[in-house]
Amino acid sequence: DTAVSQTPKYLVTQMGNDKSIKCEQNLGHDTMYWYKQDSKKFLKIMFSYNNKELIINETVPNRFSPKSPDKAHLNLHINSLELGDSAVYFCASSQAGESDTQYFGPGTRLTVL
Amino acid sequence: GNSVTQMEGPVTLSEEAFLTINCTYTATGYPSLFWYVQYPGEGLQLLLKATKADDKGSNKGFEATYRKETTSFHLEKGSVQVSDSAVYFCALVHTGGFKTIFGAGTRLFVKA
Repeated sequence: DTAVSQTPKYLVTQMGNDKSIKCEQNLGHDTMYWYKQDSKKFLKIMFSYNNKELIINETVPNRFSPKSPDKAHLNLHINSLELGDSAVYFCASSQAGESDTQYFGPGTRLTVL
Repeated sequence: GNSVTQMEGPVTLSEEAFLTINCTYTATGYPSLFWYVQYPGEGLQLLLKATKADDKGSNKGFEATYRKETTSFHLEKGSVQVSDSAVYFCALVHTGGFKTIFGAGTRLFVKA
């Protein structure tokens, strides 16, 4: 039973297109995150939602827009894709105030051609 | 601000060698400290954690001790296996905080 799932696992698209990545967690956590991992494995936080409210919004182009329809879901929509957006995007969840351990999804590898 | 610094990789070892990956941190107060591991093609997963000074976290033969006096949380394993080949991330978070600070990651290769 997958704890944090993401779809799709691979996404190949042309520059200028708009795409979405979906994330769902069944752990009952109240906080969810999006991270971007570059080719050197550096992990950068992009957004975090707590109880459907945006609480972390790092310096990310406004072409990236997160949406949290409920506590168990956090989606990422990207407009006007650019070559530099190619990376692996990870969703994660945690229960803040308890273990603070982050549980990561398997990642979505985005390739922009 | 809070930060985590870990040794640059890659680290290449032969099977059964001793492993140390250094991690130091800068933070106010008393953060919780973590090691996460990322196997090829997968997301990060918790390896071990420690929540207060002098605590030792351990799992799968790996261990790390929270040293407040040296602000360090070095990862060690006495005898590595090929299956330990992965990227290891040191991280910190303040209890109840929403933001985990990750180090840059250290890639480990273990040769048979």
